[in-house]
Amino acid sequence: EVQLVESGGGLVQPGGSLRLSCAASGFTFSSYWMTWVRQAPGKGLEWVANIKQDGSEKYYVDSVKGRFTISRDNAKNSLYLQMNSLRAEDTAVYYCARDRAIDETYSSSDSWGQGTLVTVSS
Amino acid sequence: AIRITQSPSSLSASTGDRVTVTCRASQGISSYLAWYQQKPGKAPKLLIYAASTLQSGVPSRFSGSGSGTDFTLTISCLQSEDFATYYCQQYYSYPLTFGGGTKVEIK
Repeated sequence: EVQLVESGGGLVQPGGSLRLSCAASGFTFSSYWMTWVRQAPGKGLEWVANIKQDGSEKYYVDSVKGRFTISRDNAKNSLYLQMNSLRAEDTAVYYCARDRAIDETYSSSDSWGQGTLVTVSS
Repeated sequence: AIRITQSPSSLSASTGDRVTVTCRASQGISSYLAWYQQKPGKAPKLLIYAASTLQSGVPSRFSGSGSGTDFTLTISCLQSEDFATYYCQQYYSYPLTFGGGTKVEIK
C-alpha cells in the first residue's frame, strides 16, 4: 500500500523558514516524480512544485520561486520542501503527492499524504 | 500560466441525480486534464486522468470527456458518498494549475 506521511509543519513568523518532509513507503520511490500541493484554509488547491526521479529537474509555481526548494533523498525514500522568507499567504495545508505516470514529465497525482499545516503569523 | 475556469462553483443535487461539472482552459491542453474529489479534512483523490480515463478503483458512474479547452466531469447517478468538492487540473504545461473547485451539496 502506498503511504505518504508529511511532517514539519507548524507556526512560523513572517520571514522565517520551515522544512517539510514526506516519508514514502509501499512503492519504489526512486521511480516516480514527486509533487507538493498546498491548500490555504477554506480555499482551493494550488500546485507548488515537483521534482524528477533523480532530482535533475524541478519546477515551481511563480509565487514560490526563489523562496522554496524541493529536494529528495531516494536512499531515505523522502521528499522535502525547504521554505524560506515565508509570508502570510503561504499559510496552508501542504500535501505531498506521487505523480501517476513514471515515464512522463507531465502527470496527474495518484497518491496523496494527509497533509501538514503551515501557519505563517506573528 | 494556463488558467482553468471551473463551473459551477457549487451545486445542490439529490441522490440519484445526474451531475455535470465543466472546466475550460485558457489555451488548448490536448487531453492533459485530471479530475479529483476532495472531502472535508481529507486529501484529494484522483478520479480521472487524460480527460477520460478512470483511475483504478473509481466507480463507473464517474466519467470524463473533452479535449482542447473544454472538459466535463459527469456523475451519472449521484450517491451519498459523492457529496464533496471536485477539482480539475491541467498538466499540459508548468506551472500545473487547478480549477477553483465545485462543491456538490445535498439538496
